[in-house]
Amino acid sequence: AQSVTQLDSQVPVFEEAPVELRCNYSSSVSVYLFWYVQYPNQGLQLLLKYLSGSTLVESINGFEAEFNKSQTSFHLRKPSVHISDTAEYFCAVRGNNAGNMLTFGGGTRLMVKP
Amino acid sequence: DGGITQSPKYLFRKEGQNVTLSCEQNLNHDAMYWYRQDPGQGLRLIYYSQIVNDFQKGDIAEGYSVSREKKESFPLTVTSAQKNPTAFYLCASAEGGDQPQHFGDGTRLSIL
Repeated sequence: AQSVTQLDSQVPVFEEAPVELRCNYSSSVSVYLFWYVQYPNQGLQLLLKYLSGSTLVESINGFEAEFNKSQTSFHLRKPSVHISDTAEYFCAVRGNNAGNMLTFGGGTRLMVKP
Repeated sequence: DGGITQSPKYLFRKEGQNVTLSCEQNLNHDAMYWYRQDPGQGLRLIYYSQIVNDFQKGDIAEGYSVSREKKESFPLTVTSAQKNPTAFYLCASAEGGDQPQHFGDGTRLSIL
């Protein structure tokens, strides 16, 4: 079984400042890791994923996340946020021997202020 | 365009009533999922199906039922046995293997 902890339920930040959204997981097997973003009253959109290979993964809109196996973390970062990044962000994990079953963290609400 | 369609977007249920939420996908995905989202609790898995005519309970299946008669459709029924049905319900599908899940835009269910 897996579990995911997102340590911050809300992260307020000023526009153009850097941000880090933290995600830690626990699992007894190797995992795949995902970050999803949810805008109000919408479904989840895949932001980025780690399946294998390079531990640093990037999205097309400037976010990146680094898989750290020793610290069981997959923190999401962006060097300079925009107002449009205001949303809820979910970290999710799946064991590589599972039937594509995802376990989600509780979510972090990123609030970008002008 | 391929995607997942959930309907209706908003749904109201009376006490003692069963309601059915629709989920249709044209991505040709084998696997489909239903999640419930409550504020501050992330997503919790209700039911999932990895192939037509087969489905399994997730973590919070009590008070819900599903069917998977067609590959593209996975409707969820919220029965009167579900005493706290007010939530945002999300349907997802996946191709399988290491591919990520794709989500619909959700149905918000409220009690009258």
